[in-house]
Amino acid sequence: EVQLVESGGGLVQPGGSLRLSCAASGFTFSSYTMNWVRQAPGKGLEWVSYISGSTSNINYADSVKGRFTISRDNAKNSLYLQMNSLRAEDTAVYYCARVGSGWFYDYWGQGTLVTVSS
Amino acid sequence: QSVLTQPPSVSGAPGQRVTISCAGSSSNIGAGYDVHWYQQLPGTAPKLLIYGNSNRPSGVPDRFSGSKSGTSASLAISGLQAEDEADYYCQSYSLSGYVFGTGTKVTVL
Repeated sequence: EVQLVESGGGLVQPGGSLRLSCAASGFTFSSYTMNWVRQAPGKGLEWVSYISGSTSNINYADSVKGRFTISRDNAKNSLYLQMNSLRAEDTAVYYCARVGSGWFYDYWGQGTLVTVSS
Repeated sequence: QSVLTQPPSVSGAPGQRVTISCAGSSSNIGAGYDVHWYQQLPGTAPKLLIYGNSNRPSGVPDRFSGSKSGTSASLAISGLQAEDEADYYCQSYSLSGYVFGTGTKVTVL
């Protein structure tokens, strides 16, 4: 059974940093592109970043470029998101999601809440 | 920032058919990228509903159907049921990355 479990969310002050993790199980992690997708309270879904299985392809939404860094450790079946220079508008539930064979998300984690506030 | 436009809400009585539109552009849907749909029940993570414009994953009822034409797509729910009350999002791709729709809340009257 495919499982994605996020962790690392919490309350952080503006300008601060946070590192999110996503533990994957039930599939060959290194074979799949992984994404971070976020959802601000009461708002819609927003793509944040993706990383290919081999880490050769990485991309970011303009809203986080230069502040967030995506990475993965295939030996540990884990995905990460290092978030720096956090702003109030980064407040959201952050989901990790697996990309199926066609640029769609076939599995999602339960999400972890990040709150940026003083 | 959402680049695919959906109606904020649609509603229907049990048993009725409702449709949700998803309008894109020549840089995403119109560029040939497929459209996918997700259902998000309150307080839960999104769930894949339709992939590749019109394909249903295992376990998704055939009441749900999708189509794509030109720069837009649509999701139809026939035989509307109370448990279909949720938020629905379309999703596609562009050269700058993945793109989502603005989301549509479906209310069962």
